[in-house]
Formats: sequence, C-alpha cells, structure tokens
Amino acid sequence: EDQVTQSPEALRLQEGESSSLNCSYTVSGLRGLFWYRQDPGKGPEFLFTLYSAGEEKEKERLKATLTKKESFLHITAPKPEDSATYLCAVGAQKLVFGQGTRLTINP
Amino acid sequence: NAGVTQTPKFQVLKTGQSMTLQCAQDMNHNSMYWYRQDPGMGLRLIYYSASEGTTDKGEVPNGYNVSRLNKREFSLRLESAAPSQTSVYFCASSEFGLAGTGELFFGEGSRLTVL
Repeated sequence: EDQVTQSPEALRLQEGESSSLNCSYTVSGLRGLFWYRQDPGKGPEFLFTLYSAGEEKEKERLKATLTKKESFLHITAPKPEDSATYLCAVGAQKLVFGQGTRLTINP
Repeated sequence: NAGVTQTPKFQVLKTGQSMTLQCAQDMNHNSMYWYRQDPGMGLRLIYYSASEGTTDKGEVPNGYNVSRLNKREFSLRLESAAPSQTSVYFCASSEFGLAGTGELFFGEGSRLTVL
C-alpha cells in the first residue's frame, strides 16, 4: 500500500532560522513527488514537482530535494509569511497525500 | 481569474439531510476531483472525473455521489448526511489525469458540519 509520512507534525522557528521538513514514502512505481502549501482556511497551493532521485527545485526561500525514499523541503532564512502547512504527495496510480507539517515562523 | 470555485463555503446539516456541493473551474481542465480533509488524516480522494462524461471512485466514496455536469462543473452529493461526514471538502482540477504531473488546482473548501 502506498504511504506518505511527514515529519515533524509541527515546527516553530524564529524568523531567519533555517530548517528542513521531511516527507518519507513507500510507493510502487513513483511517477512524481509533489509539495503543496496550505494557508489556514484555504485550499492547497502547488509548489514543486520532483521526478527522480537527485532532483532539486527552488522557489524563493524554499528548496525541495528528492532521494529514493524521501524528500526534504529546506527553508532558508524563513519569514513570518512562510507560516503555513506544507503538504507532500506522491503520485503512482493515484496521488497519496501526507498529513502535513504545520510551520510557524515567529518574528 | 477565478480558478476553482466551490459553493457553499459553510453548511450545517442535520443527520439524514441531503445536500449538494457545487464546483466549477474556468481553466478548461479535463480532470476534476473531490477530496475531504480531516485532522490527522490528510487529504483523501472521494471521487474523481478523468474527463467529461466519466467518474470513478476514490479512496472513500461511501455515502457520496458525484455528477460531472459538463467540462466545467463537478458536483458532490450527500444523500443522507451522517456525523462522520463532518469535514472540509475540497474540489480540485488538473489538466492531466490523476497521477499526471500532480499539479492540482484547489478551491477554497466547503466546511460541512453534520449534527
């Protein structure tokens, strides 16, 4: 059975304090790994697609990386506006979402 | 550009009542989806429509029905609401199929409470 596990469940950082979020997965026939951002009361917003181990994608203060078993979302020098829940999903026969990491950046 | 529009945004039902959640997209996407999001459970697929005229069950279809009215619209119906259906419902669309590129466009959600 395809599974996606995100850790930690919640993370609180000070502004400027870099860190990483983890997404580990077991899936047969990976077609892609996807990161989304979800603000409170809103729908998820697509961030990145990663297709193969070693691939990296960047957007502003976010960088996503992929290995054969997990993906990391690195956040460099975060700002309060980066506070959100970050969702990971893997695509095989269908998309399977993780439970998300709730990130809070304190000013 | 509206993207994906869901109505209503909030709804309170009594057990046994029925209702329909409406969804429309203006991006000319082929595929549309209904998800529910519950605390600790992540997003779970209820039903999807890979293209106009087709619908398929997702992970948690029991208690729901869907209609792909045309390319733009995809509705979700609860025939006899139960407290277990209290959730936030998201409609999404994509240009490609279910696994495709994974780039789904989501609506803002419909918050349903069943008493």
